[in-house]
Amino acid sequence: AQSVTQLGSHVSVSEGALVLLRCNYSSSVPPYLFWYVQYPNQGLQLLLKYTTGATLVKGINGFEAEFKKSETSFHLTKPSAHMSDAAEYFCAVRASGGSYIPTFGRGTSLIVHP
Amino acid sequence: SAVISQKPSRDICQRGTSLTIQCQVDSQVTMMFWYRQQPGQSLTLIATANQGSEATYESGFVIDKFPISRPNLTFSTLTVSNMSPEDSSIYLCSVDQFNYGYTFGSGTRLTVV
Repeated sequence: AQSVTQLGSHVSVSEGALVLLRCNYSSSVPPYLFWYVQYPNQGLQLLLKYTTGATLVKGINGFEAEFKKSETSFHLTKPSAHMSDAAEYFCAVRASGGSYIPTFGRGTSLIVHP
Repeated sequence: SAVISQKPSRDICQRGTSLTIQCQVDSQVTMMFWYRQQPGQSLTLIATANQGSEATYESGFVIDKFPISRPNLTFSTLTVSNMSPEDSSIYLCSVDQFNYGYTFGSGTRLTVV
């Protein structure tokens, strides 16, 4: 079984401030982890993913995330928020073996203030 | 990564009618997923569709309500049957591409009146 918890349904930051979106997972086997972004009236776009190897993963648009096994976390960060980062962000987990079906978190809405 | 063309992008339908949503992928893929995303909510998996076999439905979703076709490795349809206002939602198709994660269509925004 696997699950994802995203802490905070809404996160509000000022433009230029650090972005931190939290994601904790549970998985009975080593996980594959994903962050997706969804802009209004659009589908989901992959920001970054962790499968194996380096635990610090860099993605598109300046985002990165670090897989911390001991904390079962995969938090998403960006050093400096832009207005264009305002969107819904989803964390997802998939087992590294067996089922290919991912489990998505409830999503975090990022609000960026000028 | 694959590109998915999903149609229609939006529709307003009368209750009791049916709507068929199409997803065309620009490359062959084994597994396709269909999701429902209700306003302000996360994604709920409806079913998994593999070519050449019947779709596998998640708990709470039945074939009579959401029939799925998967005639080949690049195409799938989801029909929302006998619609009610509770079916108003965004419907998304997705494919599994290990090297690129899961790729999504742009979604179908359905409103049932």
